[in-house]
Amino acid sequence: GAVVSQHPSRVICKSGTSVKIECRSLDFQATTMFWYRQFPKQSLMLMATSNEGSKATYEQGVEKDKFLINHASLTLSTLTVTSAHPEDSSFYICSARGIGTGEATNEKLFFGSGTQLSVL
Amino acid sequence: QQQVKQSPQSLIVQKGGISIINCAYENTAFDYFPWYQQFPGKGPALLIAIRPDVSEKKEGRFTISFNKSAKQFSLHIMDSQPGDSATYFCAASGNFGNEKLTFGTGTRLTIIP
Repeated sequence: GAVVSQHPSRVICKSGTSVKIECRSLDFQATTMFWYRQFPKQSLMLMATSNEGSKATYEQGVEKDKFLINHASLTLSTLTVTSAHPEDSSFYICSARGIGTGEATNEKLFFGSGTQLSVL
Repeated sequence: QQQVKQSPQSLIVQKGGISIINCAYENTAFDYFPWYQQFPGKGPALLIAIRPDVSEKKEGRFTISFNKSAKQFSLHIMDSQPGDSATYFCAASGNFGNEKLTFGTGTRLTIIP
């Protein structure tokens, strides 16, 4: 299946610093990328949707100035957590969706392996 | 309207048994229902998915049963193996599966020898 590479897999940072997480689609063009946040033993919460070349659409309650999303190319999206605080500690997951082939487009949706962010 | 309710929260099944996880939705516009498997520290991976025009889909040991009138769908894992121990999420989306996914709350499955 298609591969979505997410880096880093784990990051520990001090409170007040910014952290960048990268999500790359390795063997397909990702027209849409999604960023999720997952707390322990909980479901995935969609944070934002980004389409290549346009501004991300954020879900209600997600601070767009704190969670900066860039989707500058068809293979790369980044999430930057600015001025991170301990409450931002979480598992962040990206997913990338390729161009549909007439079937449900979400059948072409693939997830990265996640980034565990710990803010001290 | 957008919720997908999943049960049970956790499930323990003996090796070789059948694992059954259930989901219910409210939004009749949903038309794509995938199941994802997630191992600790990893992202979810698509296991199997179904469209509402069929009542059942089988892939190997995994079967989705779909009841459109009841707005329910379930995942059956036959001959469950220890390697199936993971967290399973159902999800749903509309517009021919083009809209964003709405996830269930997850089921932590443990297969015991």
